[in-house]
Amino acid sequence: DVKVTQSSRYLVKRTGEKVFLECVQDMDHENMFWYRQDPGLGLRLIYFSYDVKMKEKGDIPEGYSVSREKKERFSLILESASTNQTSMYLCASSFAGQKISTDTQYFGPGTRLTVL
Amino acid sequence: DAKTTQPNSMESNEEEPVHLPCNHSTISGTDYIHWYRQLPSQGPEYVIHGLTSNVNNRMASLAIAEDRKSSTLILHRATLRDAAVYYCILSNNNAGNMLTFGGGTRLMVKP
Repeated sequence: DVKVTQSSRYLVKRTGEKVFLECVQDMDHENMFWYRQDPGLGLRLIYFSYDVKMKEKGDIPEGYSVSREKKERFSLILESASTNQTSMYLCASSFAGQKISTDTQYFGPGTRLTVL
Repeated sequence: DAKTTQPNSMESNEEEPVHLPCNHSTISGTDYIHWYRQLPSQGPEYVIHGLTSNVNNRMASLAIAEDRKSSTLILHRATLRDAAVYYCILSNNNAGNMLTFGGGTRLMVKP
């Protein structure tokens, strides 16, 4: 079974702190994604990566950065956390097959981040 | 981007079949139809996907209209564990496997 793990289920940080959210997948997937999920807004894509050291902006990248130094690990960084970044953060990965449109995304359990 | 429309919520009785509809009237010829679901306090999980023909797997069936402007996810016998938000999503190669999640349908299953 594909396993996507996230470093914390719950995290509480203070405004202005630097926050690292870690995601690790064990299936040698090329693609990795970070989403945030908010009530009434659904899941929104923050950043994704299709290879080591590669990254692409999603729909809402402002206030975030990412790092992919190893294939299995994709980190989301909040340089200076703000209260409007309180949210559920979900990581996903997928295999970059020839038929990209059929690739299944596998999600982690999520990290609920609260910024005070 | 092609969008999907789903009812906000649906109710079902345990052990009965459930038909979850999805409209995607602006679907293009290369768009695949995916269904994911999200159980409480978990990340989304893949359910099924298809292009033109109906599809079956151990979790569900996907019925796709002939004109592809709508589809229906069928759970043959709902269990309490199937209570979740179900998302109908379109994707194609041009979008680089990006999935755009809408609001989904919250399925409630009554014992």
